[in-house]
Amino acid sequence: AQSVTQPDIHITVSEGASLELRCNYSYGATPYLFWYVQSPGQGLQLLLKYFSGDTLVQGIKGFEAEFKRSQSSFNLRKPSVHWSDAAEYFCAVNDYKLSFGAGTTVTVRA
Amino acid sequence: NAGVTQTPKFRVLKTGQSMTLLCAQDMNHEYMYWYRQDPGMGLRLIHYSVGEGTTAKGEVPDGYNVSRLKKQNFLLGLESAAPSQTSVYFCASSYSNTPFFGQGTRLTVV
Repeated sequence: AQSVTQPDIHITVSEGASLELRCNYSYGATPYLFWYVQSPGQGLQLLLKYFSGDTLVQGIKGFEAEFKRSQSSFNLRKPSVHWSDAAEYFCAVNDYKLSFGAGTTVTVRA
Repeated sequence: NAGVTQTPKFRVLKTGQSMTLLCAQDMNHEYMYWYRQDPGMGLRLIHYSVGEGTTAKGEVPDGYNVSRLKKQNFLLGLESAAPSQTSVYFCASSYSNTPFFGQGTRLTVV
């Protein structure tokens, strides 16, 4: 069965600093991988997705993620965070149904 | 183009009452899903549908029923609400393995 692990429950980062959120997955075949962002009281917005091809994927809002098959990882990065990046981030894997990690809450300090 | 629309956005129920949550999508997607979101647990799949007239159980189906009589609508029913069903419910529809989410329904059972 597919599963997703986000090891970090909460990360605090200074505005302007870099951010990396970890995601590990368990899946038998080549996965479809996603990162979503959720602001408080809002729905989920798709940041980026990986299906195949180039292992470095660019998304919206300046985010990117790198697929590493050998490590079963799909980590999300942003070079310089803005206060508006404070939110909860979810990694997900999809075959015919989407399975989510528990989420990582990002706090941005001034 | 409204995308995925959930009705209602908020609801308070008394224990034992019944209700139906409506999810409507205007993107002609085949796959539709119902998730619940609880703190620290990410999103957990309740039921899903791979096409009109079909439904299947997800990770946490107990206490819920669903119907997909029309392709654009996916209904989630609670026959006898319990406090454990207090949650935020998200609907999603999917095309080409990419799910898109509604804004959520916040349900409180007292």
